[in-house]
Amino acid sequence: EIVLTQSPGTLSLSPGERATLSCRASQSVSRNYVAWFQQKPGQAPRLLIYDASSRATGIPDRFSGSGSGTDFTLTINRLEPEDFAVYYCQQYGSSPETFGQGTKVEIK
Amino acid sequence: EVQLVESGGGLVQPGRSLRLSCAASGFTFDDYAMHWVRQAPGKGLEWVSGISWNSGASGYADSLRGRFTISRDNAKNTLYLVMNSLRIEDTALYYCARGSVKVDPNYPVHWGQGTLVTVSS
Repeated sequence: EIVLTQSPGTLSLSPGERATLSCRASQSVSRNYVAWFQQKPGQAPRLLIYDASSRATGIPDRFSGSGSGTDFTLTINRLEPEDFAVYYCQQYGSSPETFGQGTKVEIK
Repeated sequence: EVQLVESGGGLVQPGRSLRLSCAASGFTFDDYAMHWVRQAPGKGLEWVSGISWNSGASGYADSLRGRFTISRDNAKNTLYLVMNSLRIEDTALYYCARGSVKVDPNYPVHWGQGTLVTVSS
């Protein structure tokens, strides 16, 4: 099983700043099959990024994904108030699919 | 509009069984793989299981293998999860999610609102 480790656990930033979230895999993820999700309190997760760098339908271009192999990054440029949430990475390149433990982006 | 409505959760004693259902609408059900993902109270997401469009392939989290069984009825546009020998640590909100394509590799795209399973004596 591939273990995904997200860092930092919590990111304290102000609106307008850039957020950089890391997701490191215990072994190489096949074909960079990594997705990122956003979850707000009391809501279901929302897909942001798939295949490491492709934005899902309707996702603003301030969200971007990058990386390959074992190291992946979600970047949020110019944080908006609605972006403060918990973010999860997931690998779906090998079974079982696994999620990282999450990074909380909070208002500083 | 894609809609996924989970049901079947509730309070159950340790060692007992439960069957969750997910009613799908707003898309052609048998064009997509499906997933179950759970979230324990205050914790992160955990992928539970996935199934291909025609039930030809399925997968499970390593920690669950043998206790949970995923299935689907394409005629009824419904996904199921049968959970046996339930443990306290299975307490969670169980989400149903539609996959991106018919078979692996695929990722969850649309999510339901979840059904809560509480395992307690």
